Amino acid sequence: AQRVTQPEKLLSVFKGAPVELKCNYSYSGSPELFWYVQYSRQRLQLLLRHISRESIKGFTADLNKGETSFHLKKPFAQEEDSAMYYCALKGAGGTSYGKLTFGQGTILTVHP
Amino acid sequence: ETGVTQSPTHLIKTRGQQVTLRCSSQSGHNTVSWYQQALGQGPQFIFQYYREEENGRGNFPPRFSGLQFPNYSSELNVNALELDDSALYLCASRSKAGDTGELFFGEGSRLTVL
Repeated sequence: AQRVTQPEKLLSVFKGAPVELKCNYSYSGSPELFWYVQYSRQRLQLLLRHISRESIKGFTADLNKGETSFHLKKPFAQEEDSAMYYCALKGAGGTSYGKLTFGQGTILTVHP
Repeated sequence: ETGVTQSPTHLIKTRGQQVTLRCSSQSGHNTVSWYQQALGQGPQFIFQYYREEENGRGNFPPRFSGLQFPNYSSELNVNALELDDSALYLCASRSKAGDTGELFFGEGSRLTVL
């Protein structure tokens, strides 16, 4: 079974402070992991995927297979980063083909 | 480019009734998936349709069923509604099965079962 855990439901930081949103996963195969974000009054959208190894809006995330983690980091948080963040894992094969398993989400609030 | 659209945005049903939710996928996308998002939870995968056939299903009972049409639009049907079916139902599309995994979501249909 595949599972994604985001241990923090709420995370508050001040503008300019570093931020780290935690994500741990459980999966027997080779995982594909993503971070999705939902800004206020907007639809859920992809922020970044581990395969691309890219930085989007200053955010990065490194897949650590040893610790089964995919934490999202940004060195200097901005007020516009306030949003709901979901970590997600993509399954493969069988009835899980194409399925995304989401964590419960973390609400990030960046204070001025 | 037209994004994913869903209808209705809100609806209220009573226990035991049936409901149909509709989704128009993003232009050029032939794969549609449906997710249920209960309050305070992340989206949960219901099923996926590709070329009008279901090709992936989550842990939902058979009373959750779907259709995909030749124009790639889709329906989610739920029979014998239960109180726990109250949730936001999200439709997502992508360009083809087995691609990068990026989903394009609609704004959802919020179902309340009384």
